This record gives sequence, C-alpha cells and structure tokens, in this order.
Amino acid sequence: AQKVTQAQTEISVVEKEDVTLDCVYETRDTTYYLFWYKQPPSGELVFLIRRNSFDEQNEISGRYSWNFQKSTSSFNFTITASQVVDSAVYFCALSGLDSNYQLIWGAGTKLIIKP
Amino acid sequence: DTEVTQTPKHLVMGMTNKKSLKCEQHMGHRAMYWYKQKAKKPPELMFVYSYEKLSINESVPSRFSPECPNSSLLNLHLHALQPEDSALYLCASSLGSEGMNTEAFFGQGTRLTVV
Repeated sequence: AQKVTQAQTEISVVEKEDVTLDCVYETRDTTYYLFWYKQPPSGELVFLIRRNSFDEQNEISGRYSWNFQKSTSSFNFTITASQVVDSAVYFCALSGLDSNYQLIWGAGTKLIIKP
Repeated sequence: DTEVTQTPKHLVMGMTNKKSLKCEQHMGHRAMYWYKQKAKKPPELMFVYSYEKLSINESVPSRFSPECPNSSLLNLHLHALQPEDSALYLCASSLGSEGMNTEAFFGQGTRLTVV
C-alpha cells in the first residue's frame, strides 16, 4: 500500500530563516509521481511541483528547492529566506498504479513565518 | 489560464435544502475531481470524471450527486445533508485522463456549512 508521512505537524520560524519540510513515502510501484501543494488560509491548493520516480535531479525554483532521494524514499522541500507570505499548510502527495493514480496525501505541515 | 473556478465560495444550507456546487475549467483538461476537506486534514477524494464519465466514486453517500454536463463543467448536487457534511469542497482538474500522473489544478473551494 502507498503511504505519505509528513512528520512535522507545525513549524514556526522567523522571517528570513531557511526551513525544510520533510516528506517520506512508501510505495511498491516502480513508476510513481510525487507532488507538493501549498494551501494558504484562502483554501485553494496551489500546485508547486511534480516529480516522477525516474527523475532524481533536485529542483530549484526561486527560493524553493526540492531534494528527491529514492534511497531514503524522501522528497523534502526547502524554503530559503522565508517570507510571511510563505505561511500556509504544505501537503506532500504520491500517485502511482497502486493507488489507481489517485493522490495519496500526507497529513500536511503547517508553516508559520513570523515577521 | 491555469484556473479552476468554483461557485459559490460560501454556502450555508439546512438539512432539508437542495443546493448545487459548480466548478468550471477552460484548460482542456479531461479529468475533473471533487474532494472534501475537513479542518486540519488533507483532502479526501469523492468523485473522478474522465472524459465526462464517472470513473471513480469513493463510496460517497447518495446525498451527494455529481454531474458533468460537458468537459468544462462539473457540478455537485447536495440534498438532505447532515451537519457532519460541513467542510471545504474542492474541485480539481488534470490533463491526464487516467489519474494524477500530471499536476492537478484546484479551485478555491466552497466552504459549506450544514445547519
């Protein structure tokens, strides 16, 4: 069965600090997809990144970066120089044949950036 | 235009009322989804439409009735709801018809309160 674990329920940092959100997954599939979504208080889920299991290259997009490591089944997300606008709940998710390609969600990490 | 539009944004309804939630996308996506999200929880999949046909129903009670009039529109008809059905209802769409192996775009959701 597939599973996504986000062990950090809530993280609070001061603005401009770097912060890493952890995501660990379990799957029997050899082909699978990993996602990160951001959910601000407004409620909309904002797509951040999709990574397939054959692409282990790390990704950087502005202040955001992702570290995908198949060896440890992790797909961690780092925000550099955090800003108050980064405050939100962040979800990691997984899809693959085992889930009929529907998203298996982690519990989410609430990120609070203090000014 | 990467936008999924949901109406209404807020809805309060009595247990004997009938109401409908609406969702629209113009990205040419072939799959559309309804999710239910309770506070501090990840989204839960309710229904999936692929090429305007219902492909997944996650054992949702019959008081929720989905409808896909065309490839751009998705409705969720509500009847005789219970207070525990109060939640954020999210619509999403994705390019892939076979599920979430491509990124999904979400609407802002409808905050439903059943009184």
